[in-house]
Amino acid sequence: KQEVTQIPAALSVPEGENLVLNCSFTDSAIYNLQWFRQDPGKGLTSLLLIQSSQREQTSGRLNASLDKSSGRSTLYIAASQPGDSATYLCAVRRRGRGYSTLTFGKGTMLLVSP
Amino acid sequence: NAGVTQTPKFQVLKTGQSMTLQCAQDMNHNSMYWYRQDPGMGLRLIYYSASEGTTDKGEVPNGYNVSRLNKREFSLRLESAAPSQTSVYFCASSEIGGSMVEQFFGPGTRLTVL
Repeated sequence: KQEVTQIPAALSVPEGENLVLNCSFTDSAIYNLQWFRQDPGKGLTSLLLIQSSQREQTSGRLNASLDKSSGRSTLYIAASQPGDSATYLCAVRRRGRGYSTLTFGKGTMLLVSP
Repeated sequence: NAGVTQTPKFQVLKTGQSMTLQCAQDMNHNSMYWYRQDPGMGLRLIYYSASEGTTDKGEVPNGYNVSRLNKREFSLRLESAAPSQTSVYFCASSEIGGSMVEQFFGPGTRLTVL
């Protein structure tokens, strides 16, 4: 059974810092990995999707990397801003027999203070 | 495009009451999903519909039923609500298959069962 772990569970940083969020998964047979952002009381917004054949994806100040063989992904946020405060979730889509669905980690709650 | 919409946004039920959560998507996606999100448990899949006409159980299906009404709409029914079903419910949609498939989420329904 696929398990996804995110470390740390919570992170507090001053504005302007570069930071790294970690995601690990137990089964490397995946189609892709997706990073989401969730604001309090809101739904999930997709940030980045990395296919299993890719090493990284970039969108603005966000960079996500994938090391499938070691079962790890990182989300790098450059020059953090208070507006980045949210919970960040990673999810993997397994490869295998039958229809595949997403398995989520429990998230990292990020607070960026001015 | 509205993306994925859910109704209602909030609901309070008494134990034993029934209700149906509605979900619709306008992205012409084949696959739709229902998740619940609980503190400390993360997002867990209740049911999914890989394509119109099919539904399958996810990780936590007990106490729920679903109907894929058409390609756009996927409803979740609680026949006899229990306090353990107090949660935030999210609907999502995606295309079928492939490593580029992203899931898109609705804003959620916050359900309290007294």
